[in-house]
Amino acid sequence: AQSVTQPDIHITVSEGASLELRCNYSYGATPYLFWYVQSPGQGLQLLLKYFSGDTLVQGIKGFEAEFKRSQSSFNLRKPSVHWSDAAEYFCAVEYSGGYNKLIFGAGTRLAVHP
Amino acid sequence: DAGVTQSPTHLIKTRGQHVTLRCSPISGHKSVSWYQQVLGQGPQFIFQYYEKEERGRGNFPDRFSARQFPNYSSELNVNALLLGDSALYLCASSTRQGVNNSPLHFGNGTRLTVT
Repeated sequence: AQSVTQPDIHITVSEGASLELRCNYSYGATPYLFWYVQSPGQGLQLLLKYFSGDTLVQGIKGFEAEFKRSQSSFNLRKPSVHWSDAAEYFCAVEYSGGYNKLIFGAGTRLAVHP
Repeated sequence: DAGVTQSPTHLIKTRGQHVTLRCSPISGHKSVSWYQQVLGQGPQFIFQYYEKEERGRGNFPDRFSARQFPNYSSELNVNALLLGDSALYLCASSTRQGVNNSPLHFGNGTRLTVT
């Protein structure tokens, strides 16, 4: 069965430090992968997506993610974190059944120290 | 352009009651999906509607139902509410049935509390 694992429940970084959030997926074919961010009391905002092609994808707010098929990973990175990046981050993979179903990980909550 | 709008934003219900949640998709989007997000977890897929027909259903009991109207807005209905139905209910819209090159755009959700 398809699944997404985000190994880190909470991560704390200092403002200006680099960030990497881990995501591993289980999927038989080439996956469609997504990262969403959720601020408190808000819905989900799409940061970036991978469908095919270049394995390094750029997103909004200075985020990027790298698809590594050999490791079944799609880690999210940012070179310098801002205090406004504090939020919950969700990795998701498209369900193979063909309709608009995303399978989400449990999320990683990011805290940013000044 | 307006994003996905959901109403109400918050709702408190008692066990056994019924609830209706509403969603208006982004203009031009014909697909609406519903997700349930329990505190501390990622969203779980409930339904997808495209062109007013149910196209997918998640692992939820028959107490959950939905429909899509001719203007592509949607309602999610939950009967015989249980305490475990307390969650943030998210609506998402997209232009097409599949997520290929048509990512989901989420609303801010309806926070349902069942007491």
